[in-house]
Amino acid sequence: NAGVTQTPKFRILKIGQSMTLQCTQDMNHNYMYWYRQDPGMGLKLIYYSVGAGITDKGEVPNGYNVSRSTTEDFPLRLELAAPSQTSVYFCASSYSTGAGNTIYFGEGSWLTVV
Amino acid sequence: AQKVTQAQTEISVVEKEDVTLDCVYETRDTTYYLFWYKQPPSGELVFLIRRNSFDEQNEISGRYSWNFQKSTSSFNFTITASQVVDSAVYFCALSGPNTGNQFYFGTGTSLTVIP
Repeated sequence: NAGVTQTPKFRILKIGQSMTLQCTQDMNHNYMYWYRQDPGMGLKLIYYSVGAGITDKGEVPNGYNVSRSTTEDFPLRLELAAPSQTSVYFCASSYSTGAGNTIYFGEGSWLTVV
Repeated sequence: AQKVTQAQTEISVVEKEDVTLDCVYETRDTTYYLFWYKQPPSGELVFLIRRNSFDEQNEISGRYSWNFQKSTSSFNFTITASQVVDSAVYFCALSGPNTGNQFYFGTGTSLTVIP
C-alpha cells in the first residue's frame, strides 16, 4: 500500500533557487497538509487543503506556495530558497470528516539550502 | 489556545526497563482528539494511537499503554519492557473543532533504549 508518497527524499538547493516537493496520496483523502520539522521544534503546518481547488495557510506559510488541482496531488513550491528553509518536510493526508481524523504522513523530504 | 507540551526532551533507559512519556495539553474545546506518533531513526512518522476526549479509558496494546486523564489534561504513554527498537522520537498531538482538522504537535521526546 503506497499511502502518502513524497519526492524527492533528499535535495540540496542553492540560495535563490526554486524547487517543487511532490506529494501524492492514493487513499482518496480530501485533506492534505505540508509540515516542516526543525530540530527540537516539533512539526509546524505550512499549508493545508480541504479538497481539490482549495488551499489555506498554516502557521508558517511565508516563502512557500501550494496548489491542489486533483484530490491525489498536493505539491509544495519554494520560489526563492533561503537557508531558513533548510528543514525536513512532511506531506500528510486525512479524511475530511472533521477533527479527530488520523493524519498519515509521507516519509519526509530532507532539504538543505546552501 | 491549543497547545501540547512534552516536557521531557530526551530520555535514556536500559533495555527491559519501563518508561513513561509525558504529554500535557491545553484546549478550550470540549470535544478534542489526542494522538501519539513515533518517529524512528529512519525518519517517517508512524501513527500509534488516537483517543477522543469522551473516552477516558486507558488502553493497552502489547507493550504500549496510554493513560488519559482529563482532570490533569494529560495523555501519557508507557512502554513496558522497553526494547532497542523502541528508540525513536515520540510526538503527542492534539486536534479539535476550533482548529478544523489541523494538528498541534508537541516538540517530541527522544527515547534511547540502551542494550
